[in-house]
Amino acid sequence: GAVVSQHPSWVICKSGTSVKIECRSLDFQATTMFWYRQFPKQSLMLMATSNEGSKATYEQGVEKDKFLINHASLTLSTLTVTSAHPEDSSFYICSASQRGDRRGFGAGTRLSVL
Amino acid sequence: GDSVTQMEGPVTLSEEACLTINCTYTATGYPSLFWYVQYPGEGLQLLLKATKADDKGSNKGFEATYRKETTSFHLEKGSVQVSDSAVYFCALSDSRDDKIIFGKGTRLHILP
Repeated sequence: GAVVSQHPSWVICKSGTSVKIECRSLDFQATTMFWYRQFPKQSLMLMATSNEGSKATYEQGVEKDKFLINHASLTLSTLTVTSAHPEDSSFYICSASQRGDRRGFGAGTRLSVL
Repeated sequence: GDSVTQMEGPVTLSEEACLTINCTYTATGYPSLFWYVQYPGEGLQLLLKATKADDKGSNKGFEATYRKETTSFHLEKGSVQVSDSAVYFCALSDSRDDKIIFGKGTRLHILP
């Protein structure tokens, strides 16, 4: 299989605080991890792509200083939403891939910023 | 850029009904095509895929055929079950960069 664990599944925070979301590949080594954002009734929008040990590549329109991505090992990537504001409230999903041969998705994290 | 368009939901059907969820794509190259399913409270799971024109992907009674001439990859099932209730995403991937681009998703409700 290609099991991916994402944590937390739901987080509520105050405006101005930072939130960290973890994504782990449990039974394979992920050469690439992807972070998506999903708005209600919208498609999953790719935010960034990260390869282990290198800087993430952000899609156009995504603020890299707002959404910090770290991919420190072949099984773990983190997304930190810095100084979160209500407009950052959304559903965030990670995906881990081993050169496209194995790919799994996390169950998602619902972020609510008050 | 590449994109995927799929029919709006929700789709509500009775058990044993026939299902078709339409999906069309726009791509500059020759993408691989996928259908993913998301059951309540779970992550996205690959349902089926096709990597070249005229390929048919199939799994759990679902089928989809890669139609290059119509740039389509419609999902079909002859007889749906209540357990098929989920959100279905059509997607494509350009093998050059391993990214997956998704459609908006179609929520399917199957009534007993």
